[in-house]
Amino acid sequence: KAGVTQTPRYLIKTRGQQVTLSCSPISGHRSVSWYQQTPGQGLQFLFEYFSETQRNKGNFPGRFSGRQFSNSRSEMNVSTLELGDSALYLCASSSGQGIYEQYFGPGTRLTVT
Amino acid sequence: AQTVTQSQPEMSVQEAETVTLSCTYDTSESDYYLFWYKQPPSRQMILVIRQEAYKQQNATENRFSVNFQKAAKSFSLKISDSQLGDAAMYFCAYRQGAQKLVFGQGTRLTINP
Repeated sequence: KAGVTQTPRYLIKTRGQQVTLSCSPISGHRSVSWYQQTPGQGLQFLFEYFSETQRNKGNFPGRFSGRQFSNSRSEMNVSTLELGDSALYLCASSSGQGIYEQYFGPGTRLTVT
Repeated sequence: AQTVTQSQPEMSVQEAETVTLSCTYDTSESDYYLFWYKQPPSRQMILVIRQEAYKQQNATENRFSVNFQKAAKSFSLKISDSQLGDAAMYFCAYRQGAQKLVFGQGTRLTINP
């Protein structure tokens, strides 16, 4: 099976712009979770989608949003970018049931200047 | 809220020796899952091992094994015959049912040749 893929892998944006990140889960997986990783804050949970519905949500401002499509692919959008949004954004997929173990993609490195 | 604590920010071990990484967690639930993830310099998060709380037997995956002490809420990872490729950041994680995955702060493991 192909693993979790994330596009793009690297991104440079300017403050105030918006950005959309994409995640394709492992075939058959219905759950996609998003995480932000920074040196200062570590791994922080953004949200999880299961069968096109947001199932869990972290403590991030409304500038961070996501969605999931019927094929389980997910997108994450960040509007009005701030310097502090510079981070590695990780996507993880799981079956969404049973043991719930998550498999991670390679991440998208976002730099905001 | 569930929390996961890794009290060792950094550890080092000589190649071929054994090292144990500590993890404790706080929960009032009786049914949950515990995981260890490895994040090498490539930043790709890799699932190392998982443990179901209802299982008394400690999980083992080749050179990796856990010591799961449910009453003490402790979940340590033992790496035997350490190899240079084991050098990475290791994260302990907890999940209860369909709730979000909760990560510890991580332990940076260095392997000395």
